[in-house]
Amino acid sequence: GAGVSQTPSNKVTEKGKYVELRCDPISGHTALYWYRQSLGQGPEFLIYFQGTGAADDSGLPNDRFFAVRPEGSVSTLKIQRTERGDSAVYLCASSLTKAGGFPNEQFFGPGTRLTVL
Amino acid sequence: AQTVTQSQPEMSVQEAETVTLSCTYDTSENNYYLFWYKQPPSRQMILVIRQEAYKQQNATENRFSVNFQKAAKSFSLKISDSQLGDTAMYFCAFGWSNTGKLIFGQGTTLQVKP
Repeated sequence: GAGVSQTPSNKVTEKGKYVELRCDPISGHTALYWYRQSLGQGPEFLIYFQGTGAADDSGLPNDRFFAVRPEGSVSTLKIQRTERGDSAVYLCASSLTKAGGFPNEQFFGPGTRLTVL
Repeated sequence: AQTVTQSQPEMSVQEAETVTLSCTYDTSENNYYLFWYKQPPSRQMILVIRQEAYKQQNATENRFSVNFQKAAKSFSLKISDSQLGDTAMYFCAFGWSNTGKLIFGQGTTLQVKP
């Protein structure tokens, strides 16, 4: 079946602009995660959804970052007033959730490379 | 706070030989998961192997195996019979038992030479 897809694959924007990054998880996966990966670094956790609700948003760096998942499937990461330091690859992952809430394998999308000029 | 440390920024190995990538972590949790992910230049993160902390037996997946030392908080990855397709960046990751949130190490770039 189809894997996790992310659009766009690349996004170039100017400082101060607003951007939206989209993630389509694997069908039936109830858990969805956003990570940010700076060049040469490991992914850094941003936010985790269980269904429609954000179960953990402790990784969002500031209030310019916001994410939604209104129907429990597609998610959008929104960044307001972009700064050059926001330039990174934004990765999305999804997983099934076993009964009891133990984590399952996370399947990652190819990421969106965001460049803020 | 949980931390994951990979002390080898770059490694190389000859095709068909064995290589071991190191990972240490710090946590006060007793129940958790550990993972190794592979990220080739295409950016697609692929799960290589996972280990439940409550299991003493080391996980094995074909040519990939781990050496999990819970008391030492060490979780190394051994790749046997290295293949050119193993060339990638490898990340060690820590996961909580009650959430899927992952904490990643800095990564090790592995080059398999023909």
